[in-house]
Amino acid sequence: SQTIHQWPATLVQPVGSPLSLECTVEGTSNPNLYWYRQAAGRGLQLLFYSVGIGQISSEVPQNLSASRPQDRQFILSSKKLLLSDSGFYLCAWNRGPGANVLTFGAGSRLTVL
Amino acid sequence: DAKTTQPPSMDCAEGRAANLPCNHSTISGNEYVYWYRQIHSQGPQYIIHGLKNNETNEMASLIITEDRKSSTLILPHATLRDTAVYYCISMEYGNKLVFGAGTILRVKS
Repeated sequence: SQTIHQWPATLVQPVGSPLSLECTVEGTSNPNLYWYRQAAGRGLQLLFYSVGIGQISSEVPQNLSASRPQDRQFILSSKKLLLSDSGFYLCAWNRGPGANVLTFGAGSRLTVL
Repeated sequence: DAKTTQPPSMDCAEGRAANLPCNHSTISGNEYVYWYRQIHSQGPQYIIHGLKNNETNEMASLIITEDRKSSTLILPHATLRDTAVYYCISMEYGNKLVFGAGTILRVKS
């Protein structure tokens, strides 16, 4: 069966520090991968998606970047965090191409102080 | 931008059916209706989806009107654990999911 892992689950970082959130999927190959963010009291915003290794599409301009160094690994990064980067970050996957149902990870809660 | 409209919140008594409405008046012929829910501090969970026929699975039923401009998600016997934000999304098969604000469903004992 397929599983999705995200870590760390929670972290507190100072403004200006770097960030790396990791997501891995097991039990499948060539998945579509997604990063969503949910700010406090807000809805889910799609940040990045990837249909293959090294292929990243950005949905909104921001202080973050994403990379896909391996087929089932998706990394969200920042060189210098802003207060506004605080939120709940969710990784998700589905089978591509033409798939629809997304499976989400448990999320990573980031607080920038 | 989300292309669906949902009430911001609803209450339901435990054990009763919860009927969550969704308007998608601009839905195109290729777009499906998807429902997800998000329990507090967890990732969203897929519930059900459909194109034009009514659908049922172990979690819920989805009723889509004949003109496909609206739908209703039915949780037949709501429990306290069904308290969550419910998202209705219209999307072409294979496209990216765009979440709106959803409906906060509060199941009360």
